[in-house]
Amino acid sequence: DTAVSQTPKYLVTQMGNDKSIKCEQNLGHDTMYWYKQDSKKFLKIMFSYNNKELIINETVPNRFSPKSPDKAHLNLHINSLELGDSAVYFCASTNTQATEAFFGQGTRLTVV
Amino acid sequence: AQSVTQPDIHITVSEGASLELRCNYSYGATPYLFWYVQSPGQGLQLLLKYFSGDTLVQGIKGFEAEFKRSQSSFNLRKPSVHWSDAAEYFCAVGQTSYDKVIFGPGTSLSVIP
Repeated sequence: DTAVSQTPKYLVTQMGNDKSIKCEQNLGHDTMYWYKQDSKKFLKIMFSYNNKELIINETVPNRFSPKSPDKAHLNLHINSLELGDSAVYFCASTNTQATEAFFGQGTRLTVV
Repeated sequence: AQSVTQPDIHITVSEGASLELRCNYSYGATPYLFWYVQSPGQGLQLLLKYFSGDTLVQGIKGFEAEFKRSQSSFNLRKPSVHWSDAAEYFCAVGQTSYDKVIFGPGTSLSVIP
């Protein structure tokens, strides 16, 4: 009965490919996020999204795009993958008060 | 500029010993403060948070943290460490909107049996 679930857990792909990572939360939260954790474990927010507003971290390349079919889902689509995109990507969600974030288990993306 | 520092990249303690993980921040206003734990291969789990009130905050798994405004610190403590506490610990600061939360670089904790 996972609160925030991501698929796949591992993803290995070649440079130049397009891939998607899916995220679903069953907490009834309004806002969802994507984070990137690099090889040094540094966590950086990429996007936050609720049903009204998408906030993009300006440092995120436009090859990355979040897609939300409904309030419980926020998928991450990545075009033209590069070696530097290799990282662990975490999905998270918060309630309206944003007093706590619940994280998924992460997707380890390896670009070869 | 807003920032979070965790001076210790890696700490090793013996099981049963006490633990203190340091966190210092630079923030324009009184921040919201969080400690998260990441076990190997897992997502982040909230240990505790401070928004206002009592500066000593109790969390899950026997952890506590103390907010010291004068030192811009929010150090995490546990009186007796268990082997299962071995993980990566992240301090985070933010304000009302979570998309403005900044994570520190993390401290990796190893526990010797």
